[in-house]
Amino acid sequence: EAQVTQNPRYLITVTGKKLTVTCSQNMNHEYMSWYRQDPGLGLRQIYYSMNVEVTDKGDVPEGYKVSRKEKRNFPLILESPSPNQTSLYFCASSLSMGVRTEAFFGQGTRLTVV
Amino acid sequence: AQSVAQPEDQVNVAEGNPLTVKCTYSVSGNPYLFWYVQYPNRGLQFLLKYITGDNLVKGSYGFEAEFNKSQTSFHLKKPSALVSDSALYFCAVRGFTSGSARQLTFGSGTQLTVLP
Repeated sequence: EAQVTQNPRYLITVTGKKLTVTCSQNMNHEYMSWYRQDPGLGLRQIYYSMNVEVTDKGDVPEGYKVSRKEKRNFPLILESPSPNQTSLYFCASSLSMGVRTEAFFGQGTRLTVV
Repeated sequence: AQSVAQPEDQVNVAEGNPLTVKCTYSVSGNPYLFWYVQYPNRGLQFLLKYITGDNLVKGSYGFEAEFNKSQTSFHLKKPSALVSDSALYFCAVRGFTSGSARQLTFGSGTQLTVLP
């Protein structure tokens, strides 16, 4: 089954403790991205990757890191989480960055930083 | 910069009645428009897209959307709502200018509640 898999689904952590949210897709998609979803703000893009070893900042990259060492994986790293990073996070992938292509989303990771 | 506006945070409709979820957009060049739906505790699911051609686009689960270039709108519609349509709906636009401008930009979402 074609899917985007995120782990963990839920995470509670303390301020400053490094964490990684994993994302994996099995569709051989070139393009992957991370979003955060906050009430009233919709989804805002954090980082995206056009292919292996090619990443770039989205609209809200501060406090986040990503890497793309393999085509299928695109982990999101919070080196020193803060309470304002409490949010619902989604990983997405699409065949390319072409304008016609729709994105496939993971089920989300609800992160709480206390 | 491209943007999407969903003017209604909440839309309530009775089961069996037609529904409309509104979306307007701003983008340089031709717009490429998408609707996604999010059910509770789930990721976003693609519903339909407008690329070019007919202004009325048909998608999954009986939904359709009408593209209106002069009003820069892309409203989501369904002739007869079901209780199971209750969910959070997002409109998104992808511009076609350069690099980062091809990203998907989402609206703030509209919570649709269909009342039995």
